[in-house]
Amino acid sequence: DQQVKQNSPSLSVQEGRISILNCDYTNSMFDYFLWYKKYPAEGPTFLISISSIKDKNEDGRFTVFLNKSAKHLSLHIVPSQPGDSAVYFCATPNNQGGKLIFGQGTELSVKP
Amino acid sequence: DSGVTQTPKHLITATGQRVTLRCSPRSGDLSVYWYQQSLDQGLQFLIQYYNGEERAKGNILERFSAQQFPDLHSELNLSSLELGDSALYFCASNSGNQETQYFGPGTRLLVL
Repeated sequence: DQQVKQNSPSLSVQEGRISILNCDYTNSMFDYFLWYKKYPAEGPTFLISISSIKDKNEDGRFTVFLNKSAKHLSLHIVPSQPGDSAVYFCATPNNQGGKLIFGQGTELSVKP
Repeated sequence: DSGVTQTPKHLITATGQRVTLRCSPRSGDLSVYWYQQSLDQGLQFLIQYYNGEERAKGNILERFSAQQFPDLHSELNLSSLELGDSALYFCASNSGNQETQYFGPGTRLLVL
C-alpha cells in the first residue's frame, strides 16, 4: 500500500520555464515532508522540506506547497535549468527520527 | 558531499554468496538508516540503528542483518544472495531526533 505517491514517472520541461512535481499522501497524521533530488550513480540529496504548520516554504528557485486538506504537496522549480534534470523523490518520516517513506520518484528532464 | 561514506561503490557476486556493505555516518550523527532501491522501485527502508542499538526494522529479509559499531559505523550483511537482491543499497544518517536524513552515494550490488 503506497502511502506516498508520485503519479508522474517523468516530466519534461523547457529551460527557463516552471517545473511542477506533485506528490500525494494517504495518512493525515503525516506532518513533515521532504524533497530529495537524485542524480544517476549518486545518493539522494536533500533539497527542501516543509512542516504541516506551514503551507509554503521557499528556498531560492525551489518552493514547496502543502495542501493538507487535499493531502497533496508540490515542488515548484522556477526557472528550470538543465542541471535540474534528475529524479525527484518526496518523502515523509513515519515519526520524528524514524524511517522515511518515499514516493516512487519523478524523473525531470529540462531541455535547453 | 553529504559526509556519509559507503564502501564498496560496486559489488558483483554470485548467487548463494555473502557480502558486507559498510557505512560511515556524518560526524556527530548517532543514527544510521539502510535503504534498498531495486529496479523501478522507490527507496525501501530496511533497518535503523541508533547509538549501537537497533531502533526500527522495515521489510528486511531474514537473510539480511546489520549492526552498528562503537565508532558508529554500520555494516549491512547480505547472505545466501539471490538474483533479486541485486539493487542499490543506501545508507543515511542523522542525529536521530530530526527528520532530514543525509544519504551516502550507495553501493550497487549485482548478483549473477
